[in-house]
Amino acid sequence: GQSLEQPSEVTAVEGAIVQINCTYQTSGFYGLSWYQQHDGGAPTFLSYNALDGLEETGRFSSFLSRSDSYGYLLLQELQMKDSASYFCALRASNTGKLIFGQGTTLQVKP
Amino acid sequence: GAVVSQHPSRVICKSGTSVKIECRSLDFQATTMFWYRQFPKKSLMLMATSNEGSKATYEQGVEKDKFLINHASLTLSTLTVTSAHPEDSSFYICSVETGGPPHNEQFFGPGTRLTVL
Repeated sequence: GQSLEQPSEVTAVEGAIVQINCTYQTSGFYGLSWYQQHDGGAPTFLSYNALDGLEETGRFSSFLSRSDSYGYLLLQELQMKDSASYFCALRASNTGKLIFGQGTTLQVKP
Repeated sequence: GAVVSQHPSRVICKSGTSVKIECRSLDFQATTMFWYRQFPKKSLMLMATSNEGSKATYEQGVEKDKFLINHASLTLSTLTVTSAHPEDSSFYICSVETGGPPHNEQFFGPGTRLTVL
C-alpha cells in the first residue's frame, strides 16, 4: 500500500522560511507532488518531483530523496496569504492514482 | 492547465433526499474525471474514477449504489448522492487529469459543500 505522513500544523512569521516535511511508504511511485488548499477552496498544484533533488518555482521549492523516502516543501519570504493547508501526494505506479497525505496547516503570523 | 467548475458550490438537503453535483471541464476534453471527498481538516480521499461512456470505477468501501456517477460527455461528470444522510455531509471535489504518467497533473474543481440535515 501507500501512505504519507506530514506534520499536522506549522506556524511561522511573515517573511520567514518554513519547511514542510513529508515521509512516505510506497511499493512504487512516479513522483511526489505538492498542493495548496485555502480553507473551503480547491487544491491547487504547486510542485512536482519525479527525480531526486530540488525543484524551484518562485518562492516555493520542493525536494525529493527516494533513498530516504522523504520530501519537503520549502516556502520562502512567507506572506500572510500563504496561510493554507499543504498536501503532499504521490502517484502510485501500480494504479496511477494520486494518494494524498493528511495535510499540514500552515499559519503565518504578522 | 485545465479549468474545472462544479455546481452547486453549496447545497443543504433533508435526510433521505438525493443530491446531484455537476463537474465540468471547461477547456479540456476529459475522458477521465475523479471524485474526492474531504472531511474538515482531513485529506482528500478518492471515491471513484469517472470514465466517459462507461461505468465508473469505485474505490474500496465506496458504495456505488449510493454515489451514482455518470460521465456522459467529455466535459461533464455528475455525482448523485442518493438517499443522503447526515454522515454524507462533506466537501466533494472533482478533478481532471491532463497528460499521461509520469508527469500527468490533476486540476481540481472548487468543490461542493453538502450538508444533510
